Amino acid sequence: GENVEQHPSTLSVQEGDSAVIKCTYSDSASNYFPWYKQELGKGPQLIIDIRSNVGEKKDQRIAVTLNKTAKHFSLHITETQPEDSAVYFCAASIYSEYGNKLVFGAGTILRVKS
Amino acid sequence: EAQVTQNPRYLITVTGKKLTVTCSQNMNHEYMSWYRQDPGLGLRQIYYSMNVEVTDKGDVPEGYKVSRKEKRNFPLILESPSPNQTSLYFCASSLSYSMNTEAFFGQGTRLTVV
Repeated sequence: GENVEQHPSTLSVQEGDSAVIKCTYSDSASNYFPWYKQELGKGPQLIIDIRSNVGEKKDQRIAVTLNKTAKHFSLHITETQPEDSAVYFCAASIYSEYGNKLVFGAGTILRVKS
Repeated sequence: EAQVTQNPRYLITVTGKKLTVTCSQNMNHEYMSWYRQDPGLGLRQIYYSMNVEVTDKGDVPEGYKVSRKEKRNFPLILESPSPNQTSLYFCASSLSYSMNTEAFFGQGTRLTVV
C-alpha cells in the first residue's frame, strides 16, 4: 500500500525566513497531494493541494511543488509569521474500487520565532 | 456554517467500559472517515464509509466499530476500550469517495483509557 514519509519532524525558523517541508510517497498511482495545517486544539485544515498533472501551485505565501518522477512533493512557506506555527501534514491520495484514500505523513511541527 | 462536529471533546474512561464518540456533518457529504493521531505516526485511518450503510476497515480497525445509518452521522464505537486506544481521534468528511476533494475535519476527541 501507499506509504508517505515526511521530513523534518520539527522545524524552527526565524520570523520572515522561509520554511520547507518535504514528503515522499511510494505508490506511483497516487494522483492528489494535499497539505493540512493543524493549529493547537483544532482539527487539520486544508491549506493547499496539487494534482498529478501540475508541477507547482502557489497561493500567496505558500507553494507546493511536485516531482512525479522522484515521487516527492514539498511545501514552501515564505516570509513566515508567528501564526504559521502549527503542525503540518502532507498526504497522498490513491484511487481504488473503495474510493480515494488519503495516506498521511507523520507531521512536521513548525515553530516561527519572533 | 459548514462543519464536522464531534462529541465529546475530552473523555477519560476505564478499561472495558463501552463508549461511543459521535460525529455529524452538515454538508451532505458522502464520504466519512475516522482517524487516530499519535505522536510520530501522523493520522491513521480507522474506518471509512462511502455512503449510508456502506462501511469498511481502514488501516487500524482493531478494537473499533462504526455505523452509518444516516448520511450525516458516523459514530465510532469502542466496545471494550484498552489503554492502547488512548489517542486523539478525528472524524472527517468529504464530498464524494470517487473524487479527490477536500476533507473537512472535526475538532478532535482526546480519549484516555486507564
